[in-house]
Amino acid sequence: AQTVTQSQPEMSVQEAETVTLSCTYDTSESDYYLFWYKQPPSRQMILVIRQEAYKQQNATENRFSVNFQKAAKSFSLKISDSQLGDAAMYFCAYEGSQGNLIFGKGTKLSVKP
Amino acid sequence: ETGVTQTPRHLVMGMTNKKSLKCEQHLGHNAMYWYKQSAKKPLELMFVYSLEERVENNSVPSRFSPECPNSSHLFLHLHTLQPEDSALYLCASSQDRSDSGNTIYFGEGSWLTVV
Repeated sequence: AQTVTQSQPEMSVQEAETVTLSCTYDTSESDYYLFWYKQPPSRQMILVIRQEAYKQQNATENRFSVNFQKAAKSFSLKISDSQLGDAAMYFCAYEGSQGNLIFGKGTKLSVKP
Repeated sequence: ETGVTQTPRHLVMGMTNKKSLKCEQHLGHNAMYWYKQSAKKPLELMFVYSLEERVENNSVPSRFSPECPNSSHLFLHLHTLQPEDSALYLCASSQDRSDSGNTIYFGEGSWLTVV
């Protein structure tokens, strides 16, 4: 069975600085998708970025980028120029052949002004 | 405005009550989901509906009963719940239920407290 591990329960970053959130996963599949979701205090999960495993190029979305290391089964999220609005829970998720999202336990990110 | 709306946002119910959570998606999607989010645990997938047909039930106790009358609406009927069922229940939808990496859109959740 696939698993997703986020080893950092909490992280903190200074406003305008860069922070990296870690995620590792375990799978025997070769084709899959990886996602980072953000859950602000409003509780609505919002997609931040997605990566297709067959693409070697790391996905980027404005200030958000990933470091996808397929062999190491690692999928970290880098947030550049952190803003106060980035404070939230961040969840890493995996989707394989069964078509269901498997989530990690999340990392709570605090942004200090 | 979110494309997935859930009501009520907060619900407190006794263990002998019957209540329902409602979800509506305005995105024209074909798949809908119920997730349970408990403190310090990963999100747990409960039910999946595709084209109004239940395609997955992840060993959820029978005191949770889903209903999908059409592709835009999803209900979760609650009956004789336990205090450990207190959690945030998230509804979500996607274009299709497949392994093609469709983006899943979530509602804001319904906070359930069982007393």
